[in-house]
Amino acid sequence: EAGVTQSPTHLIKTRGQQATLRCSPISGHTSVYWYQQALGLGLQFLLWYDEGEERNRGNFPPRFSGRQFPNYSSELNVNALELEDSALYLCASSRIGLDRAGGNTIYFGEGSWLTVV
Amino acid sequence: AQSVTQLDSQVPVFEEAPVELRCNYSSSVSVYLFWYVQYPNQGLQLLLKYLSGSTLVKGINGFEAEFNKSQTSFHLRKPSVHISDTAEYFCAVSDPNSGGYQKVTFGTGTKLQVIP
Repeated sequence: EAGVTQSPTHLIKTRGQQATLRCSPISGHTSVYWYQQALGLGLQFLLWYDEGEERNRGNFPPRFSGRQFPNYSSELNVNALELEDSALYLCASSRIGLDRAGGNTIYFGEGSWLTVV
Repeated sequence: AQSVTQLDSQVPVFEEAPVELRCNYSSSVSVYLFWYVQYPNQGLQLLLKYLSGSTLVKGINGFEAEFNKSQTSFHLRKPSVHISDTAEYFCAVSDPNSGGYQKVTFGTGTKLQVIP
């Protein structure tokens, strides 16, 4: 079974540009989560999509946005890039079933490295 | 609000020695607790999780963790480490009533360096 796949692996952008990161969840998973792992800051929750809708977002400005497609894949868009957006962006997926609250195992992709210069 | 503290940013240990990676959390409600491992240039992989029941949780690769409610800790242990255990380890906590992983709070990670 294929795991969570993310693309691109690495992306270099200049300040002010837009970046788009993509994620394909594990087959059968309807929930996709995005996290930012910046140096020294640990993992910060960005966005949660389930069944095509944004269910929750973390404490990030509106220039961080995304969407989930009918096939449950997802895009993360970062507009007006700033230097501090340089980070590893991790996508994760889970199957939301009867045991919603934390019991479902969450599977992470290998991440997309975004460097803003 | 919940938070997770991993006091040790780096832990060097000799091969075949035991190791303990510390994790303390703060939460006023019941919690779910997790340990994830991130190998170099890879995503995160779930090591183990505590949801309820026995406070001693066994995970993959010989790791185990003990939930201690009175000390609000969830330390990760392995009796004998291998070179391949060199990685970064993240402790995480979530609120069972939050409805999913959107409220998972991660620690800042502990880099385990196994020395041959």
